[in-house]
Formats: sequence, structure tokens, C-alpha cells
Amino acid sequence: DSGVTQTPKHLITATGQRVTLRCSPRSGDLSVYWYQQSLDQGLQFLIQYYNGEERAKGNILERFSAQQFPDLHSELNLSSLELGDSALYFCASSPSGGALDTQYFGPGTRLTVL
Amino acid sequence: AQKITQTQPGMFVQEKEAVTLDCTYDTSDPSYGLFWYKQPSSGEMIFLIYQGSYDQQNATEGRYSLNFQKARKSANLVISASQLGDSAMYFCAMRGDDYKLSFGAGTTVTVRA
Repeated sequence: DSGVTQTPKHLITATGQRVTLRCSPRSGDLSVYWYQQSLDQGLQFLIQYYNGEERAKGNILERFSAQQFPDLHSELNLSSLELGDSALYFCASSPSGGALDTQYFGPGTRLTVL
Repeated sequence: AQKITQTQPGMFVQEKEAVTLDCTYDTSDPSYGLFWYKQPSSGEMIFLIYQGSYDQQNATEGRYSLNFQKARKSANLVISASQLGDSAMYFCAMRGDDYKLSFGAGTTVTVRA
């Protein structure tokens, strides 16, 4: 158990819908990261937050947005869902968000868009 | 931009034997971190080992060791005394100055009894 929690574990929804994935970092970690893992694209970095502020952005679609709240939990919002958004979404956390920090991953949320 | 290459899509190893998973990387960042993660069939990503680009010694964590050759830009993972529970997908990853963790395509390891 990494100490990072993600809810829900599984999510099944329809195209065009909007969903919210939730992540709580390890105790004491200030930085949160979101990743998408799909069969065709592999593991892709989406976005990083550090202490409530966006720090780095990866291949995140405009239909996706994220935020980190004052209690340091984070949410990833996915809207206008398409079939291709079906994937495993991971949240990870690290103490300071520095480049050499080890990131610890949550169990993931498996999103299925029908 | 960073690039991570894992050329072995799948490997078989006999229980109790050692296995080496290859990883090469490409970056122009002066400092960077190299990581290995394990993803069993259950799906979670488990951190295994870390190597900093300025570390003089190769990292070790229990049965895992990282063979870091900076000049060749390689960071191979060695798993000693393989166990059935080591069967999983293994990912090499790198993080540089842009804060983004870039992953390789992964190597599937199957341990045979």
C-alpha cells in the first residue's frame, strides 16, 4: 500500500458524460500527479500540482481539467467523454515535487466509456 | 524531450534465477532521476528503485539493483533470485528538469516454476 488513495476504483459511463476522479496523496506529500494508461498510448503524464498550484502540464486534453485543494487532495475532471478516454487513470504523490522526487502511485481508477 | 526505450517486450525467467531488464534513455538535462516500477496484473504501480544521475554508486533495494551506465545512457534493472510473485510488467521511467515522468513501453516478465 503506497498511502495514495483513489476513488472510485471503477467507473463506467457513456460517451458525452462528465466524471470526476478523486485522489488523496500520502500524508505529508505536497505534490500530486495524474497519469493516463491506455493500451495504445502507454503511460502518459497529464498534469502536476504542487501545494495547490499547477506546476507542469503534459498531454492533457482541453476536455480534461484538474485541481488541488487546500487539504491537498486532487480531482481530475473529464468531460465530453469519448470511447478513446477509456483507460486506467493513476494519481501519484511526492513530498516536494522536485525532479528527483520518487512518485508513489495510487491503485488507479479504471474508466470505461461505453 | 526525454525518451525511454525498453526493447524487450517480454521475458521468461526460471524461478531463483536472475533476470536483467534493459532500459536506455535520452536526455539533455544535466540532472535527472531514473526509476523502475512494477505493475502486476492487479494494475497498481509499485515503486522499486531510484537512481540519481549524479549518484556514484549503483542503487540497490533488496533483490533489485540498478546497473547505471551514464556514458551509455542505460539503466538496467537486475532482479536476483526471481520469485513467482515477480511476474509482472516492469516500467523504466525518467524525470528531468521539466518535472514530467516519462515511461518506457514496459517489459513483461514471466517467472516459471
